[in-house]
Amino acid sequence: QLQLQESGPGLVKPSETLSLTCTFSGASIGSNSYYWGWIRQPPGKGLEWIGSIYYTGSTYYNPSLKSRVTISADTSKNQFSLKLSSVTAADTAVYYCARPKSSWYGWFDPWGQGTLVTVSS
Amino acid sequence: EIVLTQSPGTLSLSPGERATLSCRASQSVSSNYLAWYQQKPGQAPRLLIYGASSRATGIPDRFSGSGSGTDFTLTISRLEPEDFAVFYCQQYGSSPGTFGQGTKVEIK
Repeated sequence: QLQLQESGPGLVKPSETLSLTCTFSGASIGSNSYYWGWIRQPPGKGLEWIGSIYYTGSTYYNPSLKSRVTISADTSKNQFSLKLSSVTAADTAVYYCARPKSSWYGWFDPWGQGTLVTVSS
Repeated sequence: EIVLTQSPGTLSLSPGERATLSCRASQSVSSNYLAWYQQKPGQAPRLLIYGASSRATGIPDRFSGSGSGTDFTLTISRLEPEDFAVFYCQQYGSSPGTFGQGTKVEIK
């Protein structure tokens, strides 16, 4: 059974880079033809797809965040990572990793439990 | 990008009642690629429905999805106490995939 878990700093200063890692079990990032993705949810608000990575290493980003986002994968560790640069208070959110199905923007299942990242000095 | 509008914003119902949630898209959703999720406080969203009407693994049959084109519906036939939550729709017919703003189903 595929399980995902986010990790990373809970507090990031404005203008710095947010970095998170998703570690998963029950699959191998280098096989299975899977996509892997990141979604975020500001407190009390809705969900926003950030981007996805394919097992080949191809990446896909939401145009609204594309200039600031980098998603990468570590095939040796069953992990994939998110970097979001030049953060502001508007980037404060719960960040989820999840597996998109059927395409890089497909439906998401399963999800990690999420990690709250606050942008504040 | 496709904008999804969910209604109503809040639905106040009693256990045992029927819940009908709407999700309307700003343009036609390709191949009816629409999903529904349930989110309880402090938890990640849980997939309920994909492909507009296919239930995800382990989802009770009191949850059903329907619709096509721009109008989609999630129906909960008889509300159980554990069903009260926020529900989101998501379209994945075109990139970027987008989510609705959510409908809260609360206990009346």
